[in-house]
Amino acid sequence: QVQLQQWGAGRLKPSETLSLTCSISGGNFNAFYWSWIRQSPGKGLEYIGTVDRDGRSDYNPSLKSRVTMSVNRYTKRFSLNLSSVTAADGAVYFCARLLYTSYYMDVWGKGITVTVS
Amino acid sequence: QSALTQPASVSGSPGQSITISCTGTSDDLGSSHFVSWYQYYQGTPPQLIIYEVTQRPSGISHRFSGSKSGNTASLTISGLQAEDEGDYFCCSKANDGGFVVFGGGTKVTVL
Repeated sequence: QVQLQQWGAGRLKPSETLSLTCSISGGNFNAFYWSWIRQSPGKGLEYIGTVDRDGRSDYNPSLKSRVTMSVNRYTKRFSLNLSSVTAADGAVYFCARLLYTSYYMDVWGKGITVTVS
Repeated sequence: QSALTQPASVSGSPGQSITISCTGTSDDLGSSHFVSWYQYYQGTPPQLIIYEVTQRPSGISHRFSGSKSGNTASLTISGLQAEDEGDYFCCSKANDGGFVVFGGGTKVTVL
């Protein structure tokens, strides 16, 4: 059974950099892509970006200038950095497994609440 | 990357059927076989309930079904139950950057 465990700082000040990491246990790490999605209070789900096993990344154009994603296939971990955060970046951040042949996410981490103030 | 359009809320009585629409453009949802739907309860991870427009993952109730016509995808919940209350998001392969794009979400209320 595949599980995603995520961690990182949950409270930031404006202008700081958000850093989150997601660890994968079980399953075939190399056969999937790995994504970050967030859900802001009162808003819907927002796609942040995706990284593959080789570190190739894809980002939401609206966040691209501030987002960096990385991967370590040996430790089965991938990370998200979001720079220059503002209150608008306060959200629940989820990591997820993305099936790139069909563009859906079938396994999700539990989510981390990030507050910026 | 423009979000897909969903109604803000849909409601129905227990046992009824409801349908949630998800509208995109001919460049994203309209030209994609890759539409998925997620059920979301605040504080828990989203759960995949439909993928590739009509497919249900193992363990998902047959009361959930998906379809697509033109630029609009739909999720139908049959035999509505109290446990179906929550938020539902559609998702499609994106066209103008980014792998995927989500809809704004629809809150389902069981009367």
